[in-house]
Amino acid sequence: EAGVAQSPRYKIIEKRQSVAFWCNPISGHATLYWYQQILGQGPKLLIQFQNNGVVDDSQLPKDRFSAERLKGVDSTLKIQPAKLEDSAVYLCASSLIQGRNTEAFFGQGTRLTVV
Amino acid sequence: AQRVTQPEKLLSVFKGAPVELKCNYSYSGSPELFWYVQYSRQRLQLLLRHISRESIKGFTADLNKGETSFHLKKPFAQEEDSAMYYCALGAGGYQKVTFGTGTKLQVIP
Repeated sequence: EAGVAQSPRYKIIEKRQSVAFWCNPISGHATLYWYQQILGQGPKLLIQFQNNGVVDDSQLPKDRFSAERLKGVDSTLKIQPAKLEDSAVYLCASSLIQGRNTEAFFGQGTRLTVV
Repeated sequence: AQRVTQPEKLLSVFKGAPVELKCNYSYSGSPELFWYVQYSRQRLQLLLRHISRESIKGFTADLNKGETSFHLKKPFAQEEDSAMYYCALGAGGYQKVTFGTGTKLQVIP
């Protein structure tokens, strides 16, 4: 079974520039998550999709971050404009079903450096 | 609000010694607890979940609702156990998963 795919693996941009990350979840997985992991911290949930609908985006800085999941499959996360504090690893994860004790499968992550 | 606390950033033990990684949580409802592990240069992956009550790679974790804890234990540490360990709490109908800050386990040969 292919895992969660993310691209790019690394990205360096200047502050105030924009950037986009792409995620392809495991086939058939209805739930998709984007997490932000700042160095030394645990992953923080930014947004959670169920199929192509958003079920939680309470921690997404909506003035600069946006995400979409077209046709309930692939997803993109965009930052515009980027700030220095956005430097982090952005993790995408997916799970087969929504509900109790569902295992989330993670991608390798995209390491973003804002200079 | 849900919260997960892992008080130790780094835990160093000798090979063959017992291991206990601490995790405390805060949640008013019925929690779902998980331990995820990240080995060097690998992706984050599920180690075990409380409802399964299983032992994975010799690790076990018991949910203690009275103490709101879900500590991860292993009687004899192995070098290959060296990794980052994250405790996570799933809550709500949509299973919003909140992670702790992680503990780096270093097993000394």
